This record gives sequence, structure tokens and C-alpha cells, in this order.
Amino acid sequence: DQQVKQNSPSLSVQEGRISILNCDYTNSMFDYFLWYKKYPAEGPTFLISISSIKDKNEDGRFTVFLNKSAKHLSLHIVPSQPGDSAVYFCAASEGGSNYKLTFGKGTLLTVNP
Amino acid sequence: EAGVAQSPRYKIIEKRQSVAFWCNPISGHATLYWYQQILGQGPKLLIQFQNNGVVDDSQLPKDRFSAERLKGVDSTLKIQPAKLEDSAVYLCASRGGNEQFFGPGTRLTVL
Repeated sequence: DQQVKQNSPSLSVQEGRISILNCDYTNSMFDYFLWYKKYPAEGPTFLISISSIKDKNEDGRFTVFLNKSAKHLSLHIVPSQPGDSAVYFCAASEGGSNYKLTFGKGTLLTVNP
Repeated sequence: EAGVAQSPRYKIIEKRQSVAFWCNPISGHATLYWYQQILGQGPKLLIQFQNNGVVDDSQLPKDRFSAERLKGVDSTLKIQPAKLEDSAVYLCASRGGNEQFFGPGTRLTVL
């Protein structure tokens, strides 16, 4: 049973346009959500996070939106750049001191020049 | 600040052989994680340490996988004997605040 779902395996956008990556979750106990970015042959790197007490968090070109009632979050990248091309993983945690993360399968973003 | 170090980066073995992976977390990070990432999937937690104690190993196949963190710093993950389905990237991460920092991973191929 997959608790974190990224239903789009891939996404292709033009440079300068907006990229929207989506993530759904089923576990209502999740209260902290993160996005990680992964380049080939490297480990995932933290991008942005959001607590369940918020519905939006922004960091430069990256914004994460959380809709708790729909159990849905999205990552917006504006404007998209070729260097953003990578696999993006959505992850969720039930909080507490363990911070155990459950990951989605990832979405491959390709930004075309 | 140095990141999470892992070695080796790549390993090819035959089934039924044993293999070990090493991880050195970011200095001062008490919490260390081992993940398995199968091709096309997200990372799956295998085991979590707090200092040298195990916090969560519920998804570790204990009949063949073992891990230790004897002095609360470096950690090793061992597979004995390996199966074909163990082919994956094994990621080590350490936690600072709410963020987990990942190493580059070890890509294991079991033939």
C-alpha cells in the first residue's frame, strides 16, 4: 500500500515556464512534507518543506502548496530552468522525534531550453 | 561542512555472496538512516539509528540484512547472502533538525 503517490512519472516543460509537480498521500497522520531533488549518481538533496499547520511555503523560485482536506500537495517552480531537470521526490513524515520519511516514486522533470 | 560519505560507490556481486556498505554521517548528527532505492521507486527506509541504538528496523529483512553503528558515528550495512532482488542503490542519510542529508549511495548489482 503506497502511502505517498506521485502519479506522473515524468513532466516536460519549456524553460521560463511554470513546472507543477503533484503528490497525494493517504495517511492522515502525516504532518510534515518535504520535496527532494535528485540528480543521476547523487543522493537526494532537500529542496523545500511544509508543516501541516501551513498551506503554503515559498523559497525563491520554489513554492509548495498543501491541501490537507484533499491530502494533496504540489511543488511549483517558476520560472523553470534547464538546471532544474532532475527527479523530484515527495516525502512525508508523521513527525515526532523519529522523523521517519515515506517517499513517493518520484517524477522526472525535464526543462527544455 | 562535509556531507555524508558512503563507500563503495558501486559493487557487483553474484547471488549468495555477501557484501558490506559503509557510511560516515555529517559530524554531530546523532540520527542515521539506511534506505534501499530500487530502480523506479522512491527510497524505502531499512533501519534508523539514534546514536548507537536502533530506533526502527521494522522493514529490514533480518534474515539476510544486518546493520550496526557501534560507536554512534560510522555505520555498516551488510547483506548475507545476497539475492537478485537486492539489486538497488543503498542510501545513507543523517539528520540535522527536520532535514535528512543523503550520501551519494552505493549501487549494488547482484548477478
